Amino acid sequence: GAGVSQSPRYKVAKRGQDVALRCDPISGHVSLFWYQQALGQGPEFLTYFQNEAQLDKSGLPSDRFFAERPEGSVSTLKIQRTQQEDSAVYLCASIQGSSYNSPLHFGNGTRLTVT
Amino acid sequence: GENVEQHPSTLSVQEGDSAVIKCTYSDSASNYFPWYKQELGKRPQLIIDIRSNVGEKKDQRIAVTLNKTAKHFSLHITETQPEDSAVYFCAAPYSGGYQKVTFGTGTKLQVIP
Repeated sequence: GAGVSQSPRYKVAKRGQDVALRCDPISGHVSLFWYQQALGQGPEFLTYFQNEAQLDKSGLPSDRFFAERPEGSVSTLKIQRTQQEDSAVYLCASIQGSSYNSPLHFGNGTRLTVT
Repeated sequence: GENVEQHPSTLSVQEGDSAVIKCTYSDSASNYFPWYKQELGKRPQLIIDIRSNVGEKKDQRIAVTLNKTAKHFSLHITETQPEDSAVYFCAAPYSGGYQKVTFGTGTKLQVIP
């Protein structure tokens, strides 16, 4: 595709609901990242995939957060039993290779609001 | 991990003036330093980056300088225009982990016409 695509663009969830956020990276990009961006803050690292392997999940805030990329392309970030503090923009980004010395290509993000 | 600090948090300049944003990092092994621009409600987009084998890089009105000894790098925008108004983020990778790029807290730049 032309760029990283994320859906939905906006999501409103009631506290306690589960949500699933989708990321479709640029075709052929090996590396995929999830970031969380709170209002007025910089993106905070959540997790990293190289193809289908989740190599780093140290940024996931709790065990309610789960990410997968089963076929090495599309990725899903799932948040169980959402809490108000989960409200943020969730950004997905991809890189063609696996070197960290490359710019991140971001999607437009999913704005999650937990009420 | 990597600790990235960015200053100032907000910056207002008159159109045509220059703007400078500074970042410091902690991981001495970091060797790639990108800058991203994020307009309201939009995705962060790379505007310029520098690798540690050079001290300065320019792209038209934008330049980045790097001081590896002091572990800081700066974004310079000359002849600012209203469309430069946005939030700017610096970033640095953590060499000890897989791809964990750490972002600064952002600088909201306002260019006053």
